[in-house]
Amino acid sequence: DAKTTQPPSMDCAEGRAANLPCNHSTISGNEYVYWYRQIHSQGPQYIIHGLKNNETNEMASLIITEDRKSSTLILPHATLRDTAVYYCIVRIHNAGNMLTFGGGTRLMVKP
Amino acid sequence: EAQVTQNPRYLITVTGKKLTVTCSQNMNHEYMSWYRQDPGLGLRQIYYSMNVEVTDKGDVPEGYKVSRKEKRNFPLILESPSPNQTSLYFCASRWSDRVHEQYFGPGTRLTVT
Repeated sequence: DAKTTQPPSMDCAEGRAANLPCNHSTISGNEYVYWYRQIHSQGPQYIIHGLKNNETNEMASLIITEDRKSSTLILPHATLRDTAVYYCIVRIHNAGNMLTFGGGTRLMVKP
Repeated sequence: EAQVTQNPRYLITVTGKKLTVTCSQNMNHEYMSWYRQDPGLGLRQIYYSMNVEVTDKGDVPEGYKVSRKEKRNFPLILESPSPNQTSLYFCASRWSDRVHEQYFGPGTRLTVT
């Protein structure tokens, strides 16, 4: 699996966009980029995933660079409830070990 | 409400005393799995099941057993728990192995003394 690098922590003002970067320079052509988040030891929550194209859903947008070596998760209007650890995972989509979380980015949304 | 439930949520036990952590989902998902989460090690898969009576090992299966007799349930069994199995455990499910989005349970915090 491609290794990912994320900043350990970030702050964001409430109501502003939160942009969370992820580097995955060794990603291979059939590996997807997944984003999950975890709020204080609760079960991880799926946010979004993508392969090559940018993706948007009701929670967030995922911007993947053209060379696919990095991506950015965008929470368009962060709220206090978005305070969590965000994990960027890169792996092929198969039946086996779907997810291995690394360190993630601890996002603190401040009033 | 669509959800994955786990029981118990918290458990303190002693070495060698068999225990079972239950997991149930009400979404008719084919695929279920168990993870453990440890500080500094992230989330690691223990076992997974692609459907009833179909199970396979994940990254860290040693010391654990699972069964999938019904589609909705996927219990995790520790036959002889040891202190190194002290961890936060999550059950997860998804429609099938072809689907990306996983739903996680609330977690079970297990302490083995």
